[in-house]
Amino acid sequence: SAVLTQPPSVSVAPGQTARVTCGGYNFRSRSVHWYQQRPGLAPALVVFDDSDRPSGIPERFSGSNSGNTATLTISRVEAGDEADYYCQVWDSGSDHWLFGGGTKLTVL
Amino acid sequence: EVQLVESGGGKVQPGGSLRLSCAASGFTFSDYWMYWVRQAPGKGLVWVSRIDSDGSTTRYADSVKGRFTISRDNAKNTLYLQMNNLRADDTGVYYCAYYHNAFDVWGQGTTVTVSS
Repeated sequence: SAVLTQPPSVSVAPGQTARVTCGGYNFRSRSVHWYQQRPGLAPALVVFDDSDRPSGIPERFSGSNSGNTATLTISRVEAGDEADYYCQVWDSGSDHWLFGGGTKLTVL
Repeated sequence: EVQLVESGGGKVQPGGSLRLSCAASGFTFSDYWMYWVRQAPGKGLVWVSRIDSDGSTTRYADSVKGRFTISRDNAKNTLYLQMNNLRADDTGVYYCAYYHNAFDVWGQGTTVTVSS
């Protein structure tokens, strides 16, 4: 089972703001990354190093890291944002990568 | 354009073996650490293994350690995952990915089914 804790689902109306949280780990001094996985497709990086966006990712996607909780925020949600979202962090103690269990974002 | 293309998946009986390949193009393959990640049907992402740029250092998830071997051929721009003694819980889609800022680019995945 996943070490990083995410809510199984988040629902939001179009145009509203969705927040996906990731916890269960001490994120202090650790960079958190976020991936979007649309149905039937491979994951895609949407936020890296807590709050940076790869080229081509809209500014509507942002991230934050408070130490105990990392949050992916999607502003002005669109129907095309409906997907599973996963957080990720590198655990230095084990030299392993950890993923959250994933959150299904539903656009109402 | 950066591209990763996995192949080698299929159906195998418990205890069997498969070798997955990941062909890379559009970037200097030999400069980057590479990873395998899997996803069981209807489940989340699980990190499987990583290899550094020259193949000298590897790491494995506890669930596959001793059964899976990651390797690379920088001359062929190809990453491999040799999977032995396969179990039913190894079933899933296997993705390769390369690390720049994070797991920046992923392949489309190849499906492994372990079943009798």
